[in-house]
Amino acid sequence: GNSVTQMEGPVTLSEEAFLTINCTYTATGYPSLFWYVQYPGEGLQLLLKATKADDKGSNKGFEATYRKETTSFHLEKGSVQVSDSAVYFCALGNAGGTSYGKLTFGQGTILTVHP
Amino acid sequence: NAGVTQTPKFQVLKTGQSMTLQCAQDMNHEYMSWYRQDPGMGLRLIHYSVGAGITDQGEVPNGYNVSRSTTEDFPLRLLSAAPSQTSVYFCATTFTGGLNTEAFFGQGTRLTVV
Repeated sequence: GNSVTQMEGPVTLSEEAFLTINCTYTATGYPSLFWYVQYPGEGLQLLLKATKADDKGSNKGFEATYRKETTSFHLEKGSVQVSDSAVYFCALGNAGGTSYGKLTFGQGTILTVHP
Repeated sequence: NAGVTQTPKFQVLKTGQSMTLQCAQDMNHEYMSWYRQDPGMGLRLIHYSVGAGITDQGEVPNGYNVSRSTTEDFPLRLLSAAPSQTSVYFCATTFTGGLNTEAFFGQGTRLTVV
């Protein structure tokens, strides 16, 4: 079955530091890949996505590239801000529109950014 | 435009009690899902629905029941609450445009079973 593995946290950075959160996956076919963010006390929001190999998703300074050869979708940001403090989830959806809305999530990575 | 609305936001139950978590959406999405979020385990799928009258089990369905009588509503029922069901519950809807399977989440219901 499908599975997603994220780097363990928590991750603590100073403002303006470089961020990488690793994500690797196991799936059959060609899944869609997502990063979701959860701010304190809120639900999950889509941060970025990629639907095919070599696609790069980007939003709010965050980027992730769909690497089929390494089955990875690492999240990066060049300069983090205090407001980026949140929990980040990597997720996988089945390919070909057959997911019926089902997503497989990684365990989440807590990011704390200090001034 | 409310999106996905979950009620209640917080709930405390005694072991053995039953309750229904409500989820309503105004996005006209066919697909709806329920997840539970536990520390260190990410989100796990409980049940999902591909349309009114059609539901199926996810990864952790035991102890939960769902129905989908309308496109808008997808309630989750706890039949006899257990402490292991203490969790944060999220409802999600999905728009499917080919591979564009983006999910939209409610604010969550934090449930404690004592």
